[in-house]
Formats: sequence, structure tokens, C-alpha cells
Amino acid sequence: DAGITQSPRHKVTETGTPVTLRCHQTENHRYMYWYRQDPGHGLRLIHYSYGVKDTDKGEVSDGYSVSRSKTEDFLLTLESATSSQTSVYFCAISDGQSQPQHFGDGTRLSIL
Amino acid sequence: RKEVEQDPGPFNVPEGATVAFNCTYSNSASQSFFWYRQDCRKEPKLLMSVYSSGNEDGRFTAQLNRASQYISLLIRDSKLSDSATYLCVVPGDSGAGSYQLTFGKGTKLSVIP
Repeated sequence: DAGITQSPRHKVTETGTPVTLRCHQTENHRYMYWYRQDPGHGLRLIHYSYGVKDTDKGEVSDGYSVSRSKTEDFLLTLESATSSQTSVYFCAISDGQSQPQHFGDGTRLSIL
Repeated sequence: RKEVEQDPGPFNVPEGATVAFNCTYSNSASQSFFWYRQDCRKEPKLLMSVYSSGNEDGRFTAQLNRASQYISLLIRDSKLSDSATYLCVVPGDSGAGSYQLTFGKGTKLSVIP
């Protein structure tokens, strides 16, 4: 299995609080991605990174920010969490844009 | 037409049956395609890559039809352990002008004893 670790695995927090999810890889892959998965919507891309300090928006980026200060770490931040951001969040990595992606175990986030 | 479309199912099939899923895509320039498998409450895992007309891996066969813009996944001799959701993945616009993989919503398969 690809060396991808997401933390935390589960989190419950309140509306309006900041939340940061971490994705750590040991594969030295250039690309890293954050997705959310919700019933009826499938996987939707939030943000992705194509190198250190290089990031871009995905389909559902509003309300989220990301940072990548090191190759191995990609952080997803919800500056002020809302109940609509309750979801399962997956991090993925790949060698290239059109290459297969490998996923972390996911983070279950509940915003009350 | 949506980027990637799959029949959500569920497909309920008996053990030993052959089952096929189709997936249609809209980006005619797409070159590489993938099938992923996702078990309940788990992460998606790569099942097969489809880079040309198709390929086969044991009981699984993936085929690509560029003219009609669809890919298919055939599972022969279904096992109980094949029960999962199968995601079709196509390179395409994932929003905000970016060119990334686009995931279908998945087809649920239940193999029944």
C-alpha cells in the first residue's frame, strides 16, 4: 500500500471553529489531492498540489484552504467550519496528472 | 453530458455470475482511464488501469470504446468478496479549469450466496 497517512482519522467539532486536516506521504510523489465524499455526490476535488507551495482549486474549493510547505505534507484547513462541511475527506497522491491516484484511509469530520 | 456517468445500481448477482458495468465519459481527448473499487467506509483502491483498447487481470476485464466514449468492467465468476462499489475514473475537468481525474459516483455490486 502507498505510504499515505491522514490525521486525525475522526473529528467532531462545532460550527465556526477552525479545523486542519493533515496528509503525510512517504512516496515522494509530486501531486497531492484533497477530496470530500458525500452520499449522492461521489468524490469531489477540493484542492490539489503539484509541488511545494504550488496549489490550485478544484470543484468545491469554497470554504477551504490548503498549504504544502514540504513535499510530504499537504494540509487542508477549514477556517470557520460549517455543518455543510460534514463529510469524509480523502487525501490522494500520484506521480502525474493523468496517473492513477492512491488514497489515504480518510478522515470522518462532523461539524455540529 | 456529465463528465462521467455510471449506473448507480445496485447490481445484485448470485455467486458465479458474470456482471458488467458501463461508464460513459464526455472528454473525447481522454487518454487514460481507471477502475477503482471502494468497500463500505473505506478508501477507493485502484483495480485496473485502461490505457488502450482494454486489458484483463484474472476474472476482471476492462474495455475501452473510444468511438462511443465508454469504458466497461466485466467481472467473471463473481465472488462474495467482489461486493463493493466500483468507480469509473476519467481524466477531465475537475472544476476551476484544472485538468485532473474525474471520478464517477460509482456502481454498487452485491454478490449474493
